[in-house]
Amino acid sequence: GDSVTQMEGPVTLSEEAFLTINCTYTATGYPSLFWYVQYPGEGLQLLLKATKADDKGSNKGFEATYRKETTSFHLEKGSVQVSDSAVYFCALSFGNEKLTFGTGTRLTIIP
Amino acid sequence: SAVISQKPSRDICQRGTSLTIQCQVDSQVTMMFWYRQQPGQSLTLIATANQGSEATYESGFVIDKFPISRPNLTFSTLTVSNMSPEDSSIYLCSALFPGQGYEQYFGPGTRLTVT
Repeated sequence: GDSVTQMEGPVTLSEEAFLTINCTYTATGYPSLFWYVQYPGEGLQLLLKATKADDKGSNKGFEATYRKETTSFHLEKGSVQVSDSAVYFCALSFGNEKLTFGTGTRLTIIP
Repeated sequence: SAVISQKPSRDICQRGTSLTIQCQVDSQVTMMFWYRQQPGQSLTLIATANQGSEATYESGFVIDKFPISRPNLTFSTLTVSNMSPEDSSIYLCSALFPGQGYEQYFGPGTRLTVT
């Protein structure tokens, strides 16, 4: 079945550091790919998405590019802030079907 | 995006009792989903709730334990029945927006503790 593999956490970075959270997927066909963020005590917020190969999703300084060749959708940000501390989930779906989530990566940014 | 609310936001329940969680969307949607997030874990789909039809349950989840209602295009409920401590989780509803690239938006979750 379809699956999403995320970089093991937790990840701790200093403020203004460069962030990469790796995400790869296994699926039959070409799913839509998503990054969700969960701040402490809150629900999931859609951070960005890409629906086809070579699409780049971006939001709040975060970016991820849909790489069909490597079946990857790595999340990047050039300069992280303390407010970016959260759990990040990579996910895939096919149209109106369910989301399949990765295990989540807990990110902590220290001042 | 969409505004999705859930009630209650949290509850502490005795084992053997039932809790009904409500999910309200600020616009009409055909498909809603219910997920469970066990402590420190990722999200697992419980069931898909389409208006006008029976909910479709994922493997490992049954209607007798997690009955779902979907009376209209903006509202759904999930009941956690005959609770045990293993049901302690965050329960989240989501709504699908086909017109926005099949984006799913989530409610804030209901944190359930069963003692």
